[in-house]
Amino acid sequence: DVKVTQSSRYLVKRTGEKVFLECVQDMDHENMFWYRQDPGLGLRLIYFSYDVKMKEKGDIPEGYSVSREKKERFSLILESASTNQTSMYLCASTITMDRFNSPLHFGNGTRLTVT
Amino acid sequence: DQQVKQNSPSLSVQEGRISILNCDYTNSMFDYFLWYKKYPAEGPTFLISISSIKDKNEDGRFTVFLNKSAKHLSLHIVPSQPGDSAVYFCAASVADSNYQLIWGAGTKLIIKP
Repeated sequence: DVKVTQSSRYLVKRTGEKVFLECVQDMDHENMFWYRQDPGLGLRLIYFSYDVKMKEKGDIPEGYSVSREKKERFSLILESASTNQTSMYLCASTITMDRFNSPLHFGNGTRLTVT
Repeated sequence: DQQVKQNSPSLSVQEGRISILNCDYTNSMFDYFLWYKKYPAEGPTFLISISSIKDKNEDGRFTVFLNKSAKHLSLHIVPSQPGDSAVYFCAASVADSNYQLIWGAGTKLIIKP
């Protein structure tokens, strides 16, 4: 079974802090994704990566950056946390970009609160 | 403007009966649709999908129906079981979109014993 591990289940940070959310997958998947989930809005894609050191913006990249130095690890960075970034953050991976045969595997999420 | 809408935030169904979860979309370019299921404190897991060339796809107790003219899809669960209590997300994608899924807000399904 694919395992996607997010390092923290809950995080509380102050406005203006730099925040790192870490995600590791153990199945040699090429592609990794960061989403945020907010009530009434579903999941929205922040960034994704299809290879080491490669990244693409999703629908809502503003205020975020990412890092993928190793294939198994994909980090989401909030350069200066703001209260509107309080959310549930979900990391996911897929083995290929084949939409029909490669479903997303998600981690359990990190609930971030910015005060 | 949400391109994928799940208009029912929650749904309560008696165990053993049919659960029907609905999803509407506005973008006629969507050609692939998926349902994911999410338990509390866990990430979503893939449940079932359908391509726009089909109007029905079945997997055990789960069937997804697609009505392209109405831009509507539905997930049927028969019979409903207590373990089906979860939040169900509908998602859609366009060809050549680099796996960018557009998600609905989710419907919380509660199965009553």
